[in-house]
Amino acid sequence: GNSVTQMEGPVTLSEEAFLTINCTYTATGYPSLFWYVQYPGEGLQLLLKATKADDKGSNKGFEATYRKETTSFHLEKGSVQVSDSAVYFCALNLSGGSYIPTFGRGTSLIVHP
Amino acid sequence: DTAVSQTPKYLVTQMGNDKSIKCEQNLGHDTMYWYKQDSKKFLKIMFSYNNKELIINETVPNRFSPKSPDKAHLNLHINSLELGDSAVYFCASSQDYSGGTYEQYFGPGTRLTVT
Repeated sequence: GNSVTQMEGPVTLSEEAFLTINCTYTATGYPSLFWYVQYPGEGLQLLLKATKADDKGSNKGFEATYRKETTSFHLEKGSVQVSDSAVYFCALNLSGGSYIPTFGRGTSLIVHP
Repeated sequence: DTAVSQTPKYLVTQMGNDKSIKCEQNLGHDTMYWYKQDSKKFLKIMFSYNNKELIINETVPNRFSPKSPDKAHLNLHINSLELGDSAVYFCASSQDYSGGTYEQYFGPGTRLTVT
């Protein structure tokens, strides 16, 4: 089956530190990959996406590159801010049919001043 | 100008009661979803509708009944509420159900507490 594995949290960082949240996937076919962010008390919102191998998605200083050879889509940011504290979800979609979107379990990020 | 809206935001009720959550999207999307998020933030898909037709039903107890009066609305009715139903319920929409490159747009969530 299809699955998404994310690193367990919480990830705790100081402001301006470098962030990496690992995400690997298993899929039958060629998925599109997504990172969603959920701020406290809110719904999920798309952070970035990549739809084919070697694509890089980027938004708000966050980046992730679709690596087919390692089946990974790791999220990175060079300098985190307190306002980045949230839960981050890696997800995949496959095309065709009544496909069920697959989400990882989420990684909580806490950034201290 | 909210894209996906849900009402109510909070719902506190007693075991055995029946309650409904409403969802509306103004994005013109064909597909809508209901998800349940537990206290550990794990997100589980419950249902998906495409153009008012049920396309995904993920082994949810039949106390949960979705209804889609038109493609912009997907409501969730829950009968005989149980303690284990306490969670945050999210509505979402996407352009169509074929998955692929289309992201989902989520509502703000409804926090259901069953006492």
